Amino acid sequence: EAQVTQNPRYLITVTGKKLTVTCSQNMNHEYMSWYRQDPGLGLRQIYYSMNVEATDKGDVPEGYKVSRKEKRNFPLILESPSPNQTSLYFCASSFSGVPYEQYFGPGTRLTVT
Amino acid sequence: EDQVTQSPEALRLQEGESSSLNCSYTVSGLRGLFWYRQDPGKGPEFLFTLYSAGEEKEKERLKATLTKKESFLHITAPKPEDSATYLCAVGSNYQLIWGAGTKLIIKP
Repeated sequence: EAQVTQNPRYLITVTGKKLTVTCSQNMNHEYMSWYRQDPGLGLRQIYYSMNVEATDKGDVPEGYKVSRKEKRNFPLILESPSPNQTSLYFCASSFSGVPYEQYFGPGTRLTVT
Repeated sequence: EDQVTQSPEALRLQEGESSSLNCSYTVSGLRGLFWYRQDPGKGPEFLFTLYSAGEEKEKERLKATLTKKESFLHITAPKPEDSATYLCAVGSNYQLIWGAGTKLIIKP
């Protein structure tokens, strides 16, 4: 089954404790992206990757890191999480970026206390 | 500045009552307009892509249309299972610019 998987689905952590949210896709897509979704603000892009070893900042990259060492994986790293990073995070992939449709993972709900 | 605005924020309809959701946009160099459906606690699910003014696409009770400044998602004779948040996004260079969504509630 074609899918994007994320782990963990739920995470509660404390300020400053480094964490990684994993994302994997099995569709051989070149393009992958991370979004955060907050009430009333819609989806905002954090980082995206056009291919292996090619990453770029989205609209809200501060406080986040990513890497793309393999085509299928695109982890999101929060080196020192803060409460304002409490949000719902989605990973997405597509064949080759815009204008191709994106396929989304199930989401990771992160709470930073 | 690229921008996408969806209206209304929320819409409550009776089962069978047809209506339309609006997505207005300003973007330099449109590379597709996308409609997604999002159920609570889940990731957005792709519905349609429209590329040029005048284009229309249909899927079951949904029909999407596109002009140079806006897109409409028409819902004909909706059922309770059509209840969801509908998201609109426009393609610009390497990114999608997203609207905040319209929450649609269909009462039986």
